[in-house]
Amino acid sequence: QLQLQESGPGLVKPSETLSLTCTVSGGSISSSSHHWGWIRQPPGKGLEWLGSIYYSGSTYYNPSLKSRVTISVDTSKNQFSLRLSSVTAADTAVYYCARFRTGSTGDYWGQGTLVTVSS
Amino acid sequence: QSALTQPASVSGSPGQSITISCTGTSSDIGGYNFVSWYQQHPGKAPKLMIYEVTNRPSGVPDRFSGSKSGNMASLTISGLQAEDEAVYFCSSFASSTTVVVFGGGTKVTVL
Repeated sequence: QLQLQESGPGLVKPSETLSLTCTVSGGSISSSSHHWGWIRQPPGKGLEWLGSIYYSGSTYYNPSLKSRVTISVDTSKNQFSLRLSSVTAADTAVYYCARFRTGSTGDYWGQGTLVTVSS
Repeated sequence: QSALTQPASVSGSPGQSITISCTGTSSDIGGYNFVSWYQQHPGKAPKLMIYEVTNRPSGVPDRFSGSKSGNMASLTISGLQAEDEAVYFCSSFASSTTVVVFGGGTKVTVL
């Protein structure tokens, strides 16, 4: 059974960079049939796709956040990572990592991790 | 503002059927048969309920069904049960660059 687990600081200061890692277990991240994405959910609000990466390193970002988001992959560790720069309180959210298959169907999700932006 | 539009809330009594709509454009829902629906209970991660408009993953009850007409997709829950009370999100493939768009979510209340 594929499992995804987010990890990283739960508190980030304004203007700094938020960094999270998603560790994939029970399967390989090196699949050409899937992309690996980050999604966030501010408290009490909806889901927002931030971006995705294929194991080859090809990336796709939400146009509204493209200038601040960087997603990378480390196939040797079966991990992919998110960096979101210049954060503000509006970036406070639960951040999820997920596997997407053909047509961007998110079939496996991590449990999510709350990141609070505050001084 | 979400890319896809959903009603904020829908309610029904146990045993009834409800339908949740998800409206997009010809650039997302209308352009591809890649609509997914997710169920989210409080404090939990989203769970895939429907993919590619009409398909149910293994383990999802057959009282959940999906459809699409033009730029609008729908999720129908037949025989509503108490455990169906949750927030439901739709999503769609949008393009080779903006690969995923979500709806704002619909809170389903079982009366």
